[in-house]
Amino acid sequence: GQSLEQPSEVTAVEGAIVQINCTYQTSGFYGLSWYQQHDGGAPTFLSYNGLDGLEETGRFSSFLSRSDSYGYLLLQELQMKDSASYFCAADTGGFKTIFGAGTRLFVKA
Amino acid sequence: GAVVSQHPSWVICKSGTSVKIECRSLDFQATTMFWYRQFPKQSLMLMATSNEGSKATYEQGVEKDKFLINHASLTLSTLTVTSAHPEDSSFYICSVTGADYGYTFGSGTRLTVV
Repeated sequence: GQSLEQPSEVTAVEGAIVQINCTYQTSGFYGLSWYQQHDGGAPTFLSYNGLDGLEETGRFSSFLSRSDSYGYLLLQELQMKDSASYFCAADTGGFKTIFGAGTRLFVKA
Repeated sequence: GAVVSQHPSWVICKSGTSVKIECRSLDFQATTMFWYRQFPKQSLMLMATSNEGSKATYEQGVEKDKFLINHASLTLSTLTVTSAHPEDSSFYICSVTGADYGYTFGSGTRLTVV
């Protein structure tokens, strides 16, 4: 079957760096996206990796290795407002996107 | 990116009644919209792909007669939960794909069936 695996929870302190990993197994693959979702809210798009390598957007960076079927989201200079759930999502083609189960990030003071 | 409006943001209904949820693409003509369901602390599960002017494509296990989707214009898709039951209580979210990568999601509708 098709699946994405990511840790269920991560805890870090304010100002620190945290990495959320995502491994995927899909029949087709065009790219990996990351979304942030605060409790009670809708997901918001953070980044997309279509090619191998690192994409940087401010405090957030995302990495993809197609050969390893692996990616990660890196959050730097953590802030309390970064406490949320983070989902990786695989674009499998033809408008088919599969979401991981999400990683709940807790940022402590 | 696209701007998506979803209404209502929450609704409580009695078991057996029907509820309609609207998803509007405010600044983008969306030939395709997507409907997801999300249970607490779980991932987004795609329910169906809504296609303007044609029938929706439902994911396996989703009852098309229970979750009616209408995409009558390029800016509006509706999801109607018919004969709702408590197990249908969930967070329903729509999304569109814009010109850039990634989906833009509506604000979601929290449905509670009592």
